[in-house]
Amino acid sequence: GAGVSQSPRYKVAKRGQDVALRCDPISGHVSLFWYQQALGQGPEFLTYFQNEAQLDKSGLPSDRFFAERPEGSVSTLKIQRTQQEDSAVYLCASKLRGASDNEQFFGPGTRLTVL
Amino acid sequence: AQSVTQLDSHVSVSEGTPVLLRCNYSSSYSPSLFWYVQHPNKGLQLLLKYTSAATLVKGINGFEAEFKKSETSFHLTKPSAHMSDAAEYFCVVSDPSGGSYIPTFGRGTSLIVHP
Repeated sequence: GAGVSQSPRYKVAKRGQDVALRCDPISGHVSLFWYQQALGQGPEFLTYFQNEAQLDKSGLPSDRFFAERPEGSVSTLKIQRTQQEDSAVYLCASKLRGASDNEQFFGPGTRLTVL
Repeated sequence: AQSVTQLDSHVSVSEGTPVLLRCNYSSSYSPSLFWYVQHPNKGLQLLLKYTSAATLVKGINGFEAEFKKSETSFHLTKPSAHMSDAAEYFCVVSDPSGGSYIPTFGRGTSLIVHP
């Protein structure tokens, strides 16, 4: 497809379970971002990749959150030992170039509910 | 550091009347500014962006925004609201601090359109 895709679209986890969220960016896009969007809030930055390099992970809320992009394309956001406060929509976005102000293209998000 | 404030959490208009969604920003640089729209269960879509060219920016679906440096504002307007405009709108600021153009989102404004 031409856009950013994310899977699964919905995930329900029991507290303490590990989850893995996948993002397929637009082919050829150098930059990839992950955001967390709580209910009624704007997206908040989690982490940023340029190709396979994770250049900024300052937004990750705890060491339970881990992201990777090993081949510079698909990315996975992993949350270990999920907690109820992790319930949110996780958005992925990609951008054609690296350090630039051009447009980000967003995926539809993964809605995570932790029971 | 950069920040963005969306002054209204909800805006309610009648179909056919003008729309004004307010946004103020703060940045130590000459920022890039964006407006995104998010329909329920859909991904974020770019409406328009300002990147230091013309201060009046025209976007999709009849929306436009004016960059006013003296007022540090980037308000979104549309002359005549349509029912399909009902959605969540996000103002976004991005500047080169840290070298990465990591964007900061506002909390969002929910646009309600009455028939």
